[in-house]
Amino acid sequence: QVQLQESGPGLVKPSETLSLNCTVSGGSISTYYWSWIRQPAGKGLEWIGRIYNSGGSTNYNPSLKSRVTMSVDTSKNQFSLKLSSVTAADTAVYYCRRNFDFWGQGILVTVSS
Amino acid sequence: DIVMTQSPLSLSVTPGQPASISCKSSQSLLHSDGKTYLYWYLQKPGQSPQLLIYEVSNRFSGVSDRFSGSGSGTDFTLKISRVEAEDVGVYYCMQSIELPHSFGQGTKLEIK
Repeated sequence: QVQLQESGPGLVKPSETLSLNCTVSGGSISTYYWSWIRQPAGKGLEWIGRIYNSGGSTNYNPSLKSRVTMSVDTSKNQFSLKLSSVTAADTAVYYCRRNFDFWGQGILVTVSS
Repeated sequence: DIVMTQSPLSLSVTPGQPASISCKSSQSLLHSDGKTYLYWYLQKPGQSPQLLIYEVSNRFSGVSDRFSGSGSGTDFTLKISRVEAEDVGVYYCMQSIELPHSFGQGTKLEIK
């Protein structure tokens, strides 16, 4: 069964760029939509955006669009998220997800100096 | 953006009793392809969300038949026929007919 694993720094300084990777195992990244979702502590889920590997088409949440970049590295079976100019409000658990079914375990990213 | 509104926000259920969660969307989730893009997830304590139901009423692989989804247009319901201790967590509905995809606020289920 497909598994997803987020990785990246757990601490990012304000105004810097948050960078996360999601490694996919047990299946190819060549098809499906691949999404990022985040969840501040004790709060609900916010969809950040998605990428479709075929053609690299992306869709971002308008609330974050100016700061978000997603990409896919087919050779590593991995996709990534970059969120620029972060503030404390970006502190959250970040999840990656395939289509609507399989999720990663999540990674806590704290924005603090 | 489509707003998803769940009710109740919390419920306490005796094991073996049924439970029901409502989800209402601010716009119809019926697509021109005939499908309705409404999903239900359960986030157990300390875990990532897991898919229970897709496209209103289809149980995902491995999901107990105690879970069922129904509804159409803008009104949807998740029902648990007999609640068990393992059903504890927060239930979310989500729409994917329109970008950005959006989630309900979540309904926390606890056991009495």
